[in-house]
Amino acid sequence: QVQLQESGPGLVKPSETLSLTCTVSGDSVNTNTFYWSWIRQPPGKGLEWIGYISHSGSTTYNPSLKSRVTISVDTSKRQFSLKLSSVTAADTAVYYCASYSSSSGYYFDYWGQGALVTVSS
Amino acid sequence: EIVLTQSPATLSLSPGERATLSCRASQSVSSYVGWYQQKPGQAPRLLIFDASYRATGIPARFSGSGSGTDFTLTISSLEPEDSAVYYCQHRSNWPPTFGQGTKVEIK
Repeated sequence: QVQLQESGPGLVKPSETLSLTCTVSGDSVNTNTFYWSWIRQPPGKGLEWIGYISHSGSTTYNPSLKSRVTISVDTSKRQFSLKLSSVTAADTAVYYCASYSSSSGYYFDYWGQGALVTVSS
Repeated sequence: EIVLTQSPATLSLSPGERATLSCRASQSVSSYVGWYQQKPGQAPRLLIFDASYRATGIPARFSGSGSGTDFTLTISSLEPEDSAVYYCQHRSNWPPTFGQGTKVEIK
C-alpha cells in the first residue's frame, strides 16, 4: 500500500514558480517498480498529466508544459517535487501526485488528496 | 497527442439500471485504456485497466470492454454510491491523456 500527500503554497503570484512536494509513505520512493507523476485538474474541468519521474531520476514531461516543468526526487526524504515556472491564471488547478506501477498495468492507482493552487496577485 | 472523446456528457439513471459509458480515441490505442471514478472533492480512483481488467477491490458490477478506438465502461446495476464523474485514459504513447468525463447522476 502506498500513501501520497501533497504539500506547498496554495497561492502563487503570476510569473512566479509553483512548487509542490509529494511525500510517500507505505512503500519506498526508490523502488524500481514505481513511477511518480503529477497530474492537475483546473476547477470544474478534466485531468491533465504533467509528467513523471522514475526511481532512478529519469523524467518525461507533457510537451505542452515541458518548457516550464521540472520534476525531481529525493529518495532520502521519500519525496518527489514539482516546479512549474512562469505561472499564469491558467495554471490554477488542483495538483495531484500519483503513482503507477506494473501491478496496476501502468495506470495511476495511488493518488494524493490533491492540493489547490491558485495563481493570483 | 491522442484525443479521447467521452459520451454522453451526463447520464441520469435510477438505482438498479445499467449504465453504459463510451470513450472514443482519435487513433488506435490498442487495449491501453483505463477508467477512473471521481467523486466531488476526491482524487480519481482506478476502476479498470487495459480496457477490461478490474483494479484491486473494484466491485464486479463495473466492467470494461473495447479495443482499437472504441471503449465502453458498463455499470451493470447502479448503486447510489456510483454517482460520480468517470474518466477514461490511454497509455498507448506519451503523453497519456484523459477524456473530458461523463457525469453519472442517480435519480
